[in-house]
Amino acid sequence: EPEVTQTPSHQVTQMGQEVILRCVPISNHLYFYWYRQILGQKVEFLVSFYNNEISEKSEIFDDQFSVERPDGSNFTLKIRSTKLEDSAMYFCASRVDRGYGYTFGSGTRLTVV
Amino acid sequence: SQQGEEDPQALSIQEGENATMNCSYKTSINNLQWYRQNSGRGLVHLILIRSNEREKHSGRLRVTLDTSKKSSSLLITASRAADTASYFCATDGPDSWGKLQFGAGTQVVVTP
Repeated sequence: EPEVTQTPSHQVTQMGQEVILRCVPISNHLYFYWYRQILGQKVEFLVSFYNNEISEKSEIFDDQFSVERPDGSNFTLKIRSTKLEDSAMYFCASRVDRGYGYTFGSGTRLTVV
Repeated sequence: SQQGEEDPQALSIQEGENATMNCSYKTSINNLQWYRQNSGRGLVHLILIRSNEREKHSGRLRVTLDTSKKSSSLLITASRAADTASYFCATDGPDSWGKLQFGAGTQVVVTP
C-alpha cells in the first residue's frame, strides 16, 4: 500500500536553529498538509498546499514557518528559528482529492532544547 | 469551531467485547473521519462517512453519523488486544481546503 514517508523520525535542535522536516507524499495525491501534535494534546492543523501554493494556514503557521514542494515529489516544512514550544510531533499528510481520507506519515518528533 | 470532541476519554475493555466511542461537533461538515493512533506513532485512517450517509461499515468497524445531532459513533466489534490505541474523530468542513479539526481522542485499552 502506498505510504507517506517522513524524515527524519526524530530531530533534536537548539533553540533558534532552523529545521527542515521532509515528506514524500503519495505520488498521485494532489493535496498536502502539515499537522502537529504537542505531547498529550490534540492534533492541530498547520497548513494545506495545493497546486504549488498554500491554500489555507492556521494561526500557528506564522512567519517562522514555510512550506515548499521543490521538485514535484518532496514536500518540506521549514521552521526558521525554533522555539521551545515548537517541540511536537509533526505529521505530513496527503490525499488524492478533497472529500477523501488522508494518508498520514509516521511523523517527525521535533525536540527543541 | 467545528471541533470533534470524543467521549469517553478512556475506555478499558476485554478482548471479545465491543467498544463504542462517540464524537460531537459544532458546525456543518462535508464528512467526518475516524483515525487510530498507536502510542507515539502516526495516524491511520480508518473510515470516512460523508454528510449524506448515516452508517458505514468496514470490517469490524461500524460508524454512524447523525447530522441533526452533530454526532457520530464508532463501534469496534469483537475487540482484540491489537485494537489498543487512541481513536480520533476529525471533521472536514465545507468551506475549507480540507483542514481537519481533530478531537482530543478516546484512549482504548483492550486486555487479553
